Amino acid sequence: QVQLQESGPGLVKPSETLSLTCSISGGSIRGYFWSWIRQPPGKGLEWIGYISNGDSTNYNPSLKSRVTISVDTSKSQFSLKLSSVTAADTAVYFCARCHDFWSTSSWFDPWGQGTLVIVSS
Amino acid sequence: SSELTQDPAVSVALGQTVRITCQGDSLRSYYASWYQQKSGQAPVLVFYGENTRPSGIPDRFSGSSSGDTASLTITGAQAEDEADYYCNSRDRSGKHPVFGTGTKVSVL
Repeated sequence: QVQLQESGPGLVKPSETLSLTCSISGGSIRGYFWSWIRQPPGKGLEWIGYISNGDSTNYNPSLKSRVTISVDTSKSQFSLKLSSVTAADTAVYFCARCHDFWSTSSWFDPWGQGTLVIVSS
Repeated sequence: SSELTQDPAVSVALGQTVRITCQGDSLRSYYASWYQQKSGQAPVLVFYGENTRPSGIPDRFSGSSSGDTASLTITGAQAEDEADYYCNSRDRSGKHPVFGTGTKVSVL
């Protein structure tokens, strides 16, 4: 059973770069689209972007200028970098596996437990 | 603002049926997936595609779609079904996933 685990700093200063890593265990990294999704406190879910094991990326247009997602197949990890952060980037960040993105039916499963990142000086 | 619209909150009596709807143009072309999120926890997939319920999800959860609206129905709601529910599909371009605004379900 595939499990995902987010890791990274819980506090980032404004204007700096947020960096998180998602470690994949119990399954192959190949053949899926690995996503980051965030949720500001008390608000809804926002898709940030994905990377496939072929290094193809797709980002939320509203975040595209600040987001980089990369993958390390040898470590079964993928990472998120979000630059020039502000308080509006404070959120719980989830990693998740996306299935069948290029079909008419796609879905996210499983999800990591999430990690809270606070942007504050 | 999200391109998938959900009612902010619905309530249902214990054992009764509740339907949660998700409206958006992309739903005419793409199926929705549905997620249950309990307080302080990660979302859990409860239904996706035309008619697929993941292993371990009770059969009281079902989904349907018509035109620009997708629905998740809980038949015989239980206390443990009290949670936020989010739909997911695509934006108008079809190129990017987008989540619905979320519906808080209260079981009375």
